[in-house]
Amino acid sequence: DSGVTQTPKHLITATGQRVTLRCSPRSGDLSVYWYQQSLDQGLQFLIQYYNGEERAKGNILERFSAQQFPDLHSELNLSSLELGDSALYFCASSAGLAGENEQFFGPGTRLTVL
Amino acid sequence: DAKTTQPPSMDCAEGRAANLPCNHSTISGNEYVYWYRQIHSQGPQYIIHGLKNNETNEMASLIITEDRKSSTLILPHATLRDTAVYYCIVRALANTDKLIFGTGTRLQVFP
Repeated sequence: DSGVTQTPKHLITATGQRVTLRCSPRSGDLSVYWYQQSLDQGLQFLIQYYNGEERAKGNILERFSAQQFPDLHSELNLSSLELGDSALYFCASSAGLAGENEQFFGPGTRLTVL
Repeated sequence: DAKTTQPPSMDCAEGRAANLPCNHSTISGNEYVYWYRQIHSQGPQYIIHGLKNNETNEMASLIITEDRKSSTLILPHATLRDTAVYYCIVRALANTDKLIFGTGTRLQVFP
C-alpha cells in the first residue's frame, strides 16, 4: 500500500460525457502527478500540482483539466470523452517539488468509454 | 531528459539474479538514473535511483558505469513476484519531478 488513494477504481461511461477522478496523496506530500496509461501510448505524464499550484504540464488534452485543493487532494476532470480516452489513470505523490524525491503511485482508475 | 534504451523482455529463473540493462548514452552530468517497476496493471513502484555511485537497498542494486552511459539493475534473488515491467528513467533535478516512461523491460521470472 503506497498511501495514495484513488477513486473510483473503475468507471464506465459513454462518449461525450464528463467524469471526475479523485486522488488523495500520502500524508504530508505536497506534489501530485497524474499519468495516463493506454495500450498504444504507454505511461504518459499529464500534469503536476505542487501545494495547489500547477507546476508542470505534459501531453494533457485541452478537454482534460485538473486541480489541487487546499487539503491537497486532487481531481482530474475529463470532458467530451472519446473512445480513445479509455485508459488507466494513475495519480502519484511526492514530498517536494523537485529533487531526489521518489513518487508513490496509487492503484489507478480504469476508465472505459463506450 | 535523456532517453533510455532497454531490451523489451527478459527471462530469469526463480532464485537467480536478474540483471536488467539500460542504455542512456546521452545522459547529462546532472541527470539521475531511476528505476521503477509495474506489476501487472498496478501503479508503478519505485525501486532505486543513483547519480554515479553504485547504490543498494533492500529491493535491488544499481550499478552505473564509470562513463554513466549505461546502468544495470540487479535483483539478487528473483522471485515469481518480481515478474513485472521494469522502467529505467533518466531525469534531471529541475523544477519538476515528472517522470518520462519509456517502454521498459518485461521481466518474466519462471519456477
